[in-house]
Amino acid sequence: EDKVVQSPLSLVVHEGDTVTLNCSYEVTNFRSLLWYKQEKKAPTFLFMLTSSGIEKKSGRLSSILDKKELFSILNITATQTGDSAIYLCAVLNYGGSQGNLIFGKGTKLSVKP
Amino acid sequence: NAGVTQTPKFQVLKTGQSMTLQCAQDMNHEYMSWYRQDPGMGLRLIHYSVGAGITDQGEVPNGYNVSRSTTEDFPLRLLSAAPSQTSVYFCASSRWTPEGAPLHFGNGTRLTVT
Repeated sequence: EDKVVQSPLSLVVHEGDTVTLNCSYEVTNFRSLLWYKQEKKAPTFLFMLTSSGIEKKSGRLSSILDKKELFSILNITATQTGDSAIYLCAVLNYGGSQGNLIFGKGTKLSVKP
Repeated sequence: NAGVTQTPKFQVLKTGQSMTLQCAQDMNHEYMSWYRQDPGMGLRLIHYSVGAGITDQGEVPNGYNVSRSTTEDFPLRLLSAAPSQTSVYFCASSRWTPEGAPLHFGNGTRLTVT
């Protein structure tokens, strides 16, 4: 059975800290891995990773994929209270006629002032 | 640019009632899907569609029906609501590429079944 496991499930840090969120997966016919940020409403897209070892960066956020060890990390440096959210990891497979996103349960990040 | 629009935002149903959650996208995306999100369970796929006239089941399809008569619309029907269907429902769409493409989510419908 395909699965995506995120750790930790929740995390409390103070502003300025650096955090690393983990995502491991067991998915047949892997296509890509995606990270989303969810605040009060809809998840918003952060990164899509398809190749091992190539870091994607956007401001203070960065992510990398290891297809050999089947995991990805999301780093946030110099955290701010606005980074408080649930971070979702999802893996896209080749199942069916399109492939579907399989989500992990998310990591709830709380950043204290 | 509206993106993915879901209606209603909130709904309360009694057990046994039926209703339809509406979803429309204006990005000409081929792929559309419905997820439910429950505390501690993450997002779980209910049904999806790769184009008009084509639908398929996801991980948790029981108690739900879908149809896709146009590219833009993908309604989700609850045939006989049960308390276990209390959840937040998200509709999402994407274009199709060989390596996959990010899903664009609607703002969700919070459904309570009493």
